[in-house]
Parts: sequence; C-alpha cells; structure tokens
Amino acid sequence: SALTQRTSVSGSPGQSITIYCTGSSSDVGGYDLVSWYQQQPGKAPKLMLYEVSKRPSGVSSRFSGSKSGNTASLTISGLQADDEADYYCCSFARSNSFEFGSGTKVTVL
Amino acid sequence: QVTLRESGPALVKPTQTLTLTCTFSGFSLTTSGVCVNWIRQPPGKALEWLARIDWDGDKYYRTSLKTRLTISKDTSKNQVVLRMTNMDPVDSATYYCTRSTTAEYAFDNWGQGAAVTVSS
Repeated sequence: SALTQRTSVSGSPGQSITIYCTGSSSDVGGYDLVSWYQQQPGKAPKLMLYEVSKRPSGVSSRFSGSKSGNTASLTISGLQADDEADYYCCSFARSNSFEFGSGTKVTVL
Repeated sequence: QVTLRESGPALVKPTQTLTLTCTFSGFSLTTSGVCVNWIRQPPGKALEWLARIDWDGDKYYRTSLKTRLTISKDTSKNQVVLRMTNMDPVDSATYYCTRSTTAEYAFDNWGQGAAVTVSS
C-alpha cells in the first residue's frame, strides 16, 4: 500500500523544510532504496534523491535525505520559489516491486 | 542523452484492452542492469508503479494488477509494450515509462507521459 506523506508543507524563502515518508519493514524499513521525485504542475516527475541520500548529477545540494527505521525524509534547505512542487517518495519493496508515497505539496510562502 | 516516449490511444472504452508503447533512445535494454518501468498517475492523485521488465527478460508486476498486466520488450526496436486488459474508468490516468537500473532502483529518466481516458 502507498507510503504515507503529509499532504502539504510550506515555508518561507530561505527556510528549511522536511518532508516525511512512512512505510513499513516491507519497504522503507527493509531496504536503503528510497528515492524522491519532484513534480512540477503538468510535468513528468524528476529524480531528486536515490538510495536514501544520494543526489543525481545536477541536483542541488540543498536537497538532502535520510532514513530512520520505517521513515525516510527529504530536507530542502534555503527554500526557493522554484522548489514549489509536489514531492513523492518511493521505496523498493518485497516481491521486486515499488511503492510510492501519497505525495506532499510544497508551498513557498 | 536518454529519452523515452509513450504512445497509444488517448481514449479507450470500458472492458477494452489498453496497449501502450514506450520507445526509447540513449540506452540499450540489453545492457546488464537496465530496466524499463511503467508508472501511472490518475488526475490529481499519486504515482503508482505498475510493471518492470529487465535487461534479461525478467518481469515484475504490481500484485493487485498482476492478472491484467503484460509487459514485453522488442530490443531491436528499442521498445517496451504494456498491455492492460479489462479497462475501467478508474484506470484513467497519465501513464509514464521510465528507466531504472538494478544498481540504484530509482527512476532516473521519464517519458513525458501519455494521458488515457476510459469512457464509453
């Protein structure tokens, strides 16, 4: 079943925000294979982090990730206007499948 | 440069079979560790992983949809095809094909998506 994310998070420019993603021992807690995606309106998602905390080439160091138990988190520091988007976590899961989170809308005030 | 492009019908009727094709470039599905996945997103809702096919031909499906899904590849054409039977209005969504690898298990490249509406 879908991983749990808070529906929305907001912050002012320059602030830091953290988005949480809660699963179970069958997915988030069982593997260090959590990834995060940013989706701008009308666009395809973009990979922001993989293997919990690794950044693909070209992704700002303002994006960082961690995991504790069955909960993973994405932190955006130095919040900028163009960070406003929907963010989805995803975890590898049992039976060689993947589960996405329910999504978090980030609003920059 | 990796690109993926989805193609298929924009409208299907209930009970019909949906066939979507992903045509890709910039990588080969014969390279060890490379995979292609299908992911969908109903309007205003979350992403949902559907299926994956690996470079070696192994296939994996979302458990709840396993009986309705078939994924296949044609490496000579650089294409991956997804078939979903018995379509229902709740299957209306944007369908994305994506690349992943068995090293990272993350979707590093996405197509632009194909919007599919199921309606009579």
